[in-house]
Amino acid sequence: DQQVKQNSPSLSVQEGRISILNCDYTNSMFDYFLWYKKYPAEGPTFLISISSIKDKNEDGRFTVFLNKSAKHLSLHIVPSQPGDSAVYFCAASHPFNFGNEKLTFGTGTRLTIIP
Amino acid sequence: NAGVTQTPKFQVLKTGQSMTLQCAQDMNHEYMSWYRQDPGMGLRLIHYSVGAGITDQGEVPNGYNVSRSTTEDFPLRLLSAAPSQTSVYFCATLLGWGNTEAFFGQGTRLTVV
Repeated sequence: DQQVKQNSPSLSVQEGRISILNCDYTNSMFDYFLWYKKYPAEGPTFLISISSIKDKNEDGRFTVFLNKSAKHLSLHIVPSQPGDSAVYFCAASHPFNFGNEKLTFGTGTRLTIIP
Repeated sequence: NAGVTQTPKFQVLKTGQSMTLQCAQDMNHEYMSWYRQDPGMGLRLIHYSVGAGITDQGEVPNGYNVSRSTTEDFPLRLLSAAPSQTSVYFCATLLGWGNTEAFFGQGTRLTVV
């Protein structure tokens, strides 16, 4: 049973426009969420995170929104740049993970920025 | 500062062979984890460790063994390779307590024929 779902396998966005990547989860115990970015032949790199006590976290061009009642989070990238083309993974952790050693990942969304 | 180093980067095994995927970190992180990435399935946790001498199973542990004799190293052993273990393997480290992010190595692409 996929507890973290990214229902869009791919997304294409024009350079300069907003990219919105979505993630849904089913386990209400999850209390911390992370977004990772992955280029081909490289390991995932951390992008941004949000705790369940917040509904928004912003870092430069990246903003993550959390809607706990809908069990939904989204990553907004504004403005989108060609270097943002990558696969984006949503991940979740629950309170029994003392240090996020057990992350549950979504299946990923491949974002392509069109110049 | 190398961060998280995985070796080898690529490996081809025959069914039934055994091998060890190496993971070394110089970040002095307490926690380490192994994930595998398969098409359409995201990353799935194989085994993890919260400190030297302490390991536990993740979501997909069958066919794999781990040990953690030092803080720096967390090898993943395939006991008898099967085609179903063809995957990309990632090692990750975390600082320890609290909500911190995981740092990943570059991955090992394993093909079992």
